[in-house]
Amino acid sequence: AQSVTQLDSQVPVFEEAPVELRCNYSSSVSVYLFWYVQYPNQGLQLLLKYLSGSTLVKGINGFEAEFNKSQTSFHLRKPSVHISDTAEYFCAVNNAGNMLTFGGGTRLMVKP
Amino acid sequence: DVKVTQSSRYLVKRTGEKVFLECVQDMDHENMFWYRQDPGLGLRLIYFSYDVKMKEKGDIPEGYSVSREKKERFSLILESASTNQTSMYLCASSLRSPQETQYFGPGTRLLVL
Repeated sequence: AQSVTQLDSQVPVFEEAPVELRCNYSSSVSVYLFWYVQYPNQGLQLLLKYLSGSTLVKGINGFEAEFNKSQTSFHLRKPSVHISDTAEYFCAVNNAGNMLTFGGGTRLMVKP
Repeated sequence: DVKVTQSSRYLVKRTGEKVFLECVQDMDHENMFWYRQDPGLGLRLIYFSYDVKMKEKGDIPEGYSVSREKKERFSLILESASTNQTSMYLCASSLRSPQETQYFGPGTRLLVL
């Protein structure tokens, strides 16, 4: 069985500050890892995904994430956030089946 | 662009009613999914379909059924709605491989009174 833990349910941050949203997973096999974003009143859309190869993955809107196999983590980072980044962020894992397991979500609140 | 549409953005139903939520995708995706989203719990998979008339139970199938008669359409059915099924329901679709991105609809917010 696989599980995903997002360690922070809410992250408040000032505009132009850096941010890290943390994600840890547990799985007994190799995994594919995803970050999705949900803007208010919308469905989810993909930010980035790790399938294999380089452990640093770059996504849309200036976000990046680093896969750390030894720590079973896939933390999401952005060096300078904007008001428009206010949203809920979900980490998800797929262990080569067809079903994603999602974390509980982290609400990023960017303040002016 | 992939488009996933859901039949309603908001629904209000009474306890005991039969509820149909419909989802349509326009990209010929093999896989379709129904999730339930609740605060602090993230998204939980209700059912998954990998082909027409094929389905698999997800993590929380109790109280729900699904139907996939055409490739582009996947319906979620609440046979007898209960107040604990008040939630946001999200549909998604993807190509067959587990590496593929899932594309989500805008969601249906269901209130059961």
